[in-house]
Amino acid sequence: GAVVSQHPSRVICKSGTSVKIECRSLDFQATTMFWYRQFPKQSLMLMATSNEGSKATYEQGVEKDKFLINHASLTLSTLTVTSAHPEDSSFYICSAASNYGYTFGSGTRLTVV
Amino acid sequence: AQSVTQPDIHITVSEGASLELRCNYSYGATPYLFWYVQSPGQGLQLLLKYFSGDTLVQGIKGFEAEFKRSQSSFNLRKPSVHWSDAAEYFCAVALTNTGNQFYFGTGTSLTVIP
Repeated sequence: GAVVSQHPSRVICKSGTSVKIECRSLDFQATTMFWYRQFPKQSLMLMATSNEGSKATYEQGVEKDKFLINHASLTLSTLTVTSAHPEDSSFYICSAASNYGYTFGSGTRLTVV
Repeated sequence: AQSVTQPDIHITVSEGASLELRCNYSYGATPYLFWYVQSPGQGLQLLLKYFSGDTLVQGIKGFEAEFKRSQSSFNLRKPSVHWSDAAEYFCAVALTNTGNQFYFGTGTSLTVIP
């Protein structure tokens, strides 16, 4: 079956710095990947749709200049949280579509201090 | 606009008791339907999915779900709950089986008491 690897699983960063989260499809090619954010005790909210070789499509209310998404290859999408602030602390999860359906990464717990 | 509703924010059941988690969706057409489970601090694990065909689908860990078109529902059930089933459960819909994003319900937190 399809496997999506997300790294890192946990990261703590200082306010004002940037953090990069990677999402890799290990045994399949993913032309489309999705990035979600989950605040404590809440559901997952779609942030953006990442398409290989083109610009990401952001959901309403998500700042594209703050959450930079790059999908340079068919197996890798990255989310960079720029100038992170404590309110960006959240659980970020990626997913990729394949012939097996949707596969989710294990998530990244970001804490901004 | 499309939406996914999980009316029960939190459910508590005794170990061995039956379980039903509700999910309703609002779409113009029949979407693809999913149930996921999330343990604390973990990613999502797919329990089961419905694309077409038999409206009663079987999943992992003894879970099943029934798609009812007339009620726009996709409720999750388990005949006998185990303590390890305590987790957060999310219903989700997608407009296609690949290449499109999910919309998640708000989740139902399940507590299992001995």
